[in-house]
Amino acid sequence: AQKVTQAQTEISVVEKEDVTLDCVYETRDTTYYLFWYKQPPSGELVFLIRRNSFDEQNEISGRYSWNFQKSTSSFNFTITASQVVDSAVYFCALSESPHLSSRDDKIIFGKGTRLHILP
Amino acid sequence: ETGVTQTPRHLVMGMTNKKSLKCEQHLGHNAMYWYKQSAKKPLELMFVYSLEERVENNSVPSRFSPECPNSSHLFLHLHTLQPEDSALYLCASSRRQGTYNEQFFGPGTRLTVL
Repeated sequence: AQKVTQAQTEISVVEKEDVTLDCVYETRDTTYYLFWYKQPPSGELVFLIRRNSFDEQNEISGRYSWNFQKSTSSFNFTITASQVVDSAVYFCALSESPHLSSRDDKIIFGKGTRLHILP
Repeated sequence: ETGVTQTPRHLVMGMTNKKSLKCEQHLGHNAMYWYKQSAKKPLELMFVYSLEERVENNSVPSRFSPECPNSSHLFLHLHTLQPEDSALYLCASSRRQGTYNEQFFGPGTRLTVL
């Protein structure tokens, strides 16, 4: 069964500090897909990154970086030099299917981590 | 307009009302989704339309009825809802092609059932 755990419900850091959001997943498949989304107060989920299970390279995009560790089933997200605009709820998600085209295909979201960046 | 739009943004309805949520995507995608986001619960996928064909989801109550007239529009028809159906309803779309393609979300409709 699929499961995504974001153990950190809420985090507060002071602006310019680095912060890491944890994501641990469970799946029986050898091929799967991991995602991070950002949900600002406006409500819209903004796609940040997709990672395929067969690609273990870590990725950096500006102040954002992702650490994919298959051995520990983790896909952690780090924001460097945080800014107030980074305040949002961040969701990690897992899918075992390339497309949601049958009733057995699912995308499972974690409960989210609410991040507060204090000025 | 660009991206995924949803109307209305806010909706208050009684339990005996019938209303519809609308979603429109301007991204040339061919798959659309309805999600429900309740307080303190994970985001729940309700319905999927892939290439305009509905993927059945037997866990969603029949008081929610989706409709996808074409690849750009998606509706969620609501009738005889319960107060526990109050939530943020999010629409998303993606391109069903090749390996997994990320979903793009609309801003959501905040629904309150009295």
